[in-house]
Amino acid sequence: DAKTTQPTSMDCAEGRAANLPCNHSTISGNEYVYWYRQIHSQGPQYIIHGLKNNETNEMASLIITEDRKSSTLILPHATLRDTAVYYCIVRPKTSYDKVIFGPGTSLSVIP
Amino acid sequence: GAVVSQHPSWVICKSGTSVKIECRSLDFQATTMFWYRQFPKQSLMLMATSNEGSKATYEQGVEKDKFLINHASLTLSTLTVTSAHPEDSSFYICSASISGAGKLTYEQYFGPGTRLTVT
Repeated sequence: DAKTTQPTSMDCAEGRAANLPCNHSTISGNEYVYWYRQIHSQGPQYIIHGLKNNETNEMASLIITEDRKSSTLILPHATLRDTAVYYCIVRPKTSYDKVIFGPGTSLSVIP
Repeated sequence: GAVVSQHPSWVICKSGTSVKIECRSLDFQATTMFWYRQFPKQSLMLMATSNEGSKATYEQGVEKDKFLINHASLTLSTLTVTSAHPEDSSFYICSASISGAGKLTYEQYFGPGTRLTVT
């Protein structure tokens, strides 16, 4: 079973920041928080991951609370192409550990 | 970034036939690959873990004799759906992680998926 809980769906106005929350209250010390997204009828795309520090890359920012029990993915300026299902996943940082997907958050960016 | 390809991107087959789906890591080696299945409006469901040079590990409820997995090289894993039936119609997705000294990034890279329709 997935170890995270996310809202089922969210809307965001185009050009505004999209803030996607994720709860992972049972996260272990060796587990990282990963975010992926899946645009309709495509394979999932890696976005970002982090352990305890906030992270930023060209796609998004990841804010992890100090107790690591929740996190927020931030898309700073959402575009219509960001409409997708966003998955928050916790897993150890190894190449052989499987990724278990929960239902994710369906983000709709509205013009 | 690392690229994973799948072939074919879509396939239609008749009930009772078998179909093979290929998953390739194009610019990296992958000791481990994963196979997922996704039904409409549902999340991805992990089917099995494919290990190069050894038998695949199947998730509970997945029939290993129906979904044959072969991982013969560090860049290729295949999933064969044997005696396909309409209920096997789904979106099949593979993923892989970079392995090898000095190249460990740990992100899972996903293929574009294969749409299987069994008539």
